[in-house]
Amino acid sequence: DAGITQSPRHKVTETGTPVTLRCHQTENHRYMYWYRQDPGHGLRLIHYSYGVKDTDKGEVSDGYSVSRSKTEDFLLTLESATSSQTSVYFCAITETSGGASYNEQFFGPGTRLTVL
Amino acid sequence: KQEVTQIPAALSVPEGENLVLNCSFTDSAIYNLQWFRQDPGKGLTSLLLIQSSQREQTSGRLNASLDKSSGRSTLYIAASQPGDSATYLCAVNPGRGSTLGRLYFGRGTQLTVWP
Repeated sequence: DAGITQSPRHKVTETGTPVTLRCHQTENHRYMYWYRQDPGHGLRLIHYSYGVKDTDKGEVSDGYSVSRSKTEDFLLTLESATSSQTSVYFCAITETSGGASYNEQFFGPGTRLTVL
Repeated sequence: KQEVTQIPAALSVPEGENLVLNCSFTDSAIYNLQWFRQDPGKGLTSLLLIQSSQREQTSGRLNASLDKSSGRSTLYIAASQPGDSATYLCAVNPGRGSTLGRLYFGRGTQLTVWP
């Protein structure tokens, strides 16, 4: 257990409203990621972070922003939710040991978001 | 861009069979490869991690092999049980520069083991 929690676990919202999802980790991992999982597409990277205030885009970043002001928290924001953003969102961390040569990734329990 | 393919997409077998799940990737310059299990409505559980320098990893009844040059990995499940029923995902880590640690996923193999 890599100590990853996500909140909320389920959310239903309406088109056009802002939504923020939170990922919290307790083990001081440097690298954190946000993925979305959709039928027919599998898991795709939205944004990732390689340190406090250091973030970068993944392959499906349009319509999403992220922030990381503390090591333990990585926030994903949908500025104006659309129905195409209905999905299951997973947060992940990379656990490193023995330097950068390990890099096993662990996932949180997910947030199921429905945009009506 | 790295593309990951998993075959078959679904598999249904009787209990006790030995299984092979396949994963192929287009760019052989990988850092490591990770196999996950996902139960319906749940998150991903890491099963095995193979570094690019390794040929295989074992955990209990699971054995994963890696042939980097041919862009293939297999997950072998011995003596399958109904509790093994889940979706198995293969993910490749290209490990280059600032993308270190990001994963490219296959779409998974949905396994059903019936008693």
